[in-house]
Amino acid sequence: EVQLVEFGGGLVQPGGSLRLSCAASGFTFQAYAMHWLRQGPGKGLEWLSAISSDGIRTYYADSVKGRFASSRDNSKNMLFLQMGSLTPEDMAVYYCARDLGGSEFLDYWGQGTLVTVSS
Amino acid sequence: DIQVTQSPSAMSASVGDRVTITCRASQNINNYLSWFQQKPGQVPKRLIYASSNLRSGVPSRFSGSGSGTEFTLTISSLQPEDSATYFCLRHNAYPWTFGQGTEVEIK
Repeated sequence: EVQLVEFGGGLVQPGGSLRLSCAASGFTFQAYAMHWLRQGPGKGLEWLSAISSDGIRTYYADSVKGRFASSRDNSKNMLFLQMGSLTPEDMAVYYCARDLGGSEFLDYWGQGTLVTVSS
Repeated sequence: DIQVTQSPSAMSASVGDRVTITCRASQNINNYLSWFQQKPGQVPKRLIYASSNLRSGVPSRFSGSGSGTEFTLTISSLQPEDSATYFCLRHNAYPWTFGQGTEVEIK
């Protein structure tokens, strides 16, 4: 069974940093590109970042470029999002999702982890 | 960046109605548009990829069409369980962008 489980969310002060993790199981993680997405309270979906299957290429939304960094450890089936310079606008549920293209394009998402930015 | 405009933002329809949601891209994105459904309190679910390819297990009343700059998601006969918010996602080139969402309510 494909599973993606995010963790690491929580309360952080404005200007602070946080590292999110996404644990993958039930599929060949190293073959898949992975994405981070988020949804602010009462808001729509926002794509944040993609990382290639080998971890070499990363892409970011303008809203997080220079502040967030995606990485992965294929030996541990783990995806990470290092977030810095957080503002209240970053408060959201953060999701990871897998991508192999075609019918396996963003077909599985984790349950999400909540990041609260507040003093 | 290529912008995506989704309409309407909300709608109310009766069971059995045909429902159409539209996404327009500011530039040609070929067929790199997918549709997601999100029910309250749930994780988004991808319904359709590459404009018109229905996910396995998704009812056939859902369909997608379009290419270039205009795309539609159609629910041929609305059912109570279709009450949700629907999002399109443009994914022809990074950074990807979602549409603003369409909240579908059952009358």
